[in-house]
Amino acid sequence: GQNIDQPTEMTATEGAIVQINCTYQTSGFNGLFWYQQHAGEAPTFLSYNVLDGLEEKGRFSSFLSRSKGYSYLLLKELQMKDSASYLCAVAYGGSQGNLIFGKGTKLSVKP
Amino acid sequence: DAGVIQSPRHEVTEMGQEVTLRCKPISGHDYLFWYRQTMMRGLELLIYFNNNVPIDDSGMPEDRFSAKMPNASFSTLKIQPSEPRDSAVYFCASSGAGGSTDTQYFGPGTRLTVL
Repeated sequence: GQNIDQPTEMTATEGAIVQINCTYQTSGFNGLFWYQQHAGEAPTFLSYNVLDGLEEKGRFSSFLSRSKGYSYLLLKELQMKDSASYLCAVAYGGSQGNLIFGKGTKLSVKP
Repeated sequence: DAGVIQSPRHEVTEMGQEVTLRCKPISGHDYLFWYRQTMMRGLELLIYFNNNVPIDDSGMPEDRFSAKMPNASFSTLKIQPSEPRDSAVYFCASSGAGGSTDTQYFGPGTRLTVL
């Protein structure tokens, strides 16, 4: 079966750096997404990795290692508004493919 | 531009009643996805459509659930009869031609409570 693992919760301090890890086991791999979801709201797109390496976008960066089935999301200069759940999702399978989400990591940013 | 639109935003019903959730995807998007989110199970894909045709419904929990997409601008998810364990937030999302490898845009969700 398909599986994605993420830590359930993390806490960090405003202004700091935090790394949220994601490991996956899927039958095939077509790409990996990170979504942000604030409490009571819909998920919104943060990043997409299909090749190994680091993708940087402002304060957020995402890393992928396909051989290790591993990704991380790096958040720098944390702000209170970054308190949210971060969902890792993997696209897999042939033809039109499928998408599976991890259960998300709830990040709390404290002053 | 309007994003994905879902209705109703909240629904409270009694066990055994029929529930219909509605979704209008972003104009021009080829794919439409229905998800269910609970604390225990996270975000689960129920079914998705490409150009109004159902592609994968393996996530639909049981025969009580059905989904249709009669045209490119409208989809419904129906639960009949509803049960308390169906209580969850149901999201609709749409994406472009890339399907599962394309960015998905989520609607605001429908919070369903079955008493």
